[in-house]
Amino acid sequence: DADVTQTPRNRITKTGKRIMLECSQTKGHDRMYWYRQDPGLGLRLIYYSFDVKDINKGEISDGYSVSRQAQAKFSLSLESAIPNQTALYFCATGREGGTDTQYFGPGTRLTVL
Amino acid sequence: AQSVTQPDIHITVSEGASLELRCNYSYGATPYLFWYVQSPGQGLQLLLKYFSGDTLVQGIKGFEAEFKRSQSSFNLRKPSVHWSDAAEYFCALSGGYNKLIFGAGTRLAVHP
Repeated sequence: DADVTQTPRNRITKTGKRIMLECSQTKGHDRMYWYRQDPGLGLRLIYYSFDVKDINKGEISDGYSVSRQAQAKFSLSLESAIPNQTALYFCATGREGGTDTQYFGPGTRLTVL
Repeated sequence: AQSVTQPDIHITVSEGASLELRCNYSYGATPYLFWYVQSPGQGLQLLLKYFSGDTLVQGIKGFEAEFKRSQSSFNLRKPSVHWSDAAEYFCALSGGYNKLIFGAGTRLAVHP
């Protein structure tokens, strides 16, 4: 089984709808991250969490919110989706210390019509 | 400001040819540096990383990268490319607190 899983893998929604993307991990890592990938822009950090009670905004947090339900679960919500939030979303995990290596899920392709 | 630049958006090579993907960074100290690969429809897989010591690092799938402080570069190389290497490659640095800053990516196409 994959260490970092994301659901759904693909989602099409309409402008104004609320949508939640979920991420689960079995790596036992404390740190979890949400990125979005857009062509020509690489990956940009949306939110990150160092533990259940520690959640931080990343580079592009406007229009997004997150919830860290447990050490292994980190959800990303779009309260009112808009078309420019159409992107590929990745969850990642990492552990404290070490060399800052992050491990990525397979991604969720979100389309907002 | 911390940043990563991958000057080549798209590179095409012939199978069996050598490969070098460029990465330049801007950071106030010696960063942790990474190369990830994203195959079509897949997530990101770590190829290799540099954090200290030997400036030539070996990774998976026959890739290597060389850290050059004087040039602020961390170029990825492979002596002989295989068709399965066609993918998008991302260079990244750790900007503190375990946060990664990514370049825009280089898409590699391999001709038979």
